[in-house]
Amino acid sequence: GAGVSQTPSNKVTEKGKYVELRCDPISGHTALYWYRQSLGQGPEFLIYFQGTGAADDSGLPNDRFFAVRPEGSVSTLKIQRTERGDSAVYLCASSLGIPGANVLTFGAGSRLTVL
Amino acid sequence: AQSVAQPEDQVNVAEGNPLTVKCTYSVSGNPYLFWYVQYPNRGLQFLLKYITGDNLVKGSYGFEAEFNKSQTSFHLKKPSALVSDSALYFCAVRDRTGANNLFFGTGTRLTVIP
Repeated sequence: GAGVSQTPSNKVTEKGKYVELRCDPISGHTALYWYRQSLGQGPEFLIYFQGTGAADDSGLPNDRFFAVRPEGSVSTLKIQRTERGDSAVYLCASSLGIPGANVLTFGAGSRLTVL
Repeated sequence: AQSVAQPEDQVNVAEGNPLTVKCTYSVSGNPYLFWYVQYPNRGLQFLLKYITGDNLVKGSYGFEAEFNKSQTSFHLKKPSALVSDSALYFCAVRDRTGANNLFFGTGTRLTVIP
């Protein structure tokens, strides 16, 4: 596609529920990133995929968070047993090749609200 | 460890005046440096980056940034501000040791007053 697409744009859920957020990167971009942006903060790194594999998941806050990219394109971020502190905007980005000096192209984000 | 500081949460400037948004960084070795802009309800948009070479980097929409190694700074500048430049600006850094994480500052909200 022309840009990075994220769905849903808004998600409201109740504490304890399971949530999936989807990212469709730019066609041909092998690198895919998930970031989380809380109110008044800059984006915080969660996980980086190169192709189908999670090359770096050091930013995932705990084992309730998991992400997959089974075919090396679309990725899904999964959050189990959501907590109010998970409320944030979840940003997806993609880029060509390895990180280095490559520019990340971001989607508009999925705003998650946990009640 | 990488870190980025944007010391000003808010910058106000009159339309037509020059603007500066400050950024300092800390990395091991030499950095890759980036500026992104975020408009309401839209994703982060890339403005410019420093890799190597000329310390003055020119980017989109008339913005430029100056890399200063001795001061570990990468301030964003524009000679003449537009009302449409009002947005949230983020500085970001990645070290050259193979780090995957692009580390962002907390952002500076720029308001250009007509």
